[in-house]
Amino acid sequence: EDQVTQSPEALRLQEGESSSLNCSYTVSGLRGLFWYRQDPGKGPEFLFTLYSAGEEKEKERLKATLTKKESFLHITAPKPEDSATYLCAVPRDNYGQNFVFGPGTRLSVLP
Amino acid sequence: EPEVTQTPSHQVTQMGQEVILRCVPISNHLYFYWYRQILGQKVEFLVSFYNNEISEKSEIFDDQFSVERPDGSNFTLKIRSTKLEDSAMYFCASSANRGRFNEQFFGPGTRLTVL
Repeated sequence: EDQVTQSPEALRLQEGESSSLNCSYTVSGLRGLFWYRQDPGKGPEFLFTLYSAGEEKEKERLKATLTKKESFLHITAPKPEDSATYLCAVPRDNYGQNFVFGPGTRLSVLP
Repeated sequence: EPEVTQTPSHQVTQMGQEVILRCVPISNHLYFYWYRQILGQKVEFLVSFYNNEISEKSEIFDDQFSVERPDGSNFTLKIRSTKLEDSAMYFCASSANRGRFNEQFFGPGTRLTVL
């Protein structure tokens, strides 16, 4: 069964304290890994797509990397406005329509 | 920047009543989706829609659910007879492509409360 897991479940950082979030997946044949940010009571906001092992993408203080079995979201010198739940998702099939989401990592950045 | 919009933002209904949740996808997108998120749980896929028909649906999407694109801009999710367990956030999403370049963009959600 296709599964997506994320760790840690929750992470508290001081402003400026860099860290990484992990997303592990067990899908048969990766067809992309997607990172989203979700603020409380809001819809997921698209951040990155990674398609092949070794690929990296950056956006402001965030950098996403991908290996054959997991992805990391590195947060460098976070600010309080980076506080959110970070979700990863993978398509279940070749058509990429049915996303399987992980449970998310709830990040809190304290000033 | 184009975005997906959803109405209403919050819907309260009595068990057994019908509800219709509305979405306006990004205008040049061709693929449309509904997901739900029960409080504190994962985002779950419900259904995908392309070319005026359902292309994929999950086990959650039973006979009580239906989707429609009544005109060129709206995409709706109907729950025929709501149950308490239907209480959740419902997210609409759209994408320009499917398969490899399928970035799905989500709306802000409709919070459905079934009493």
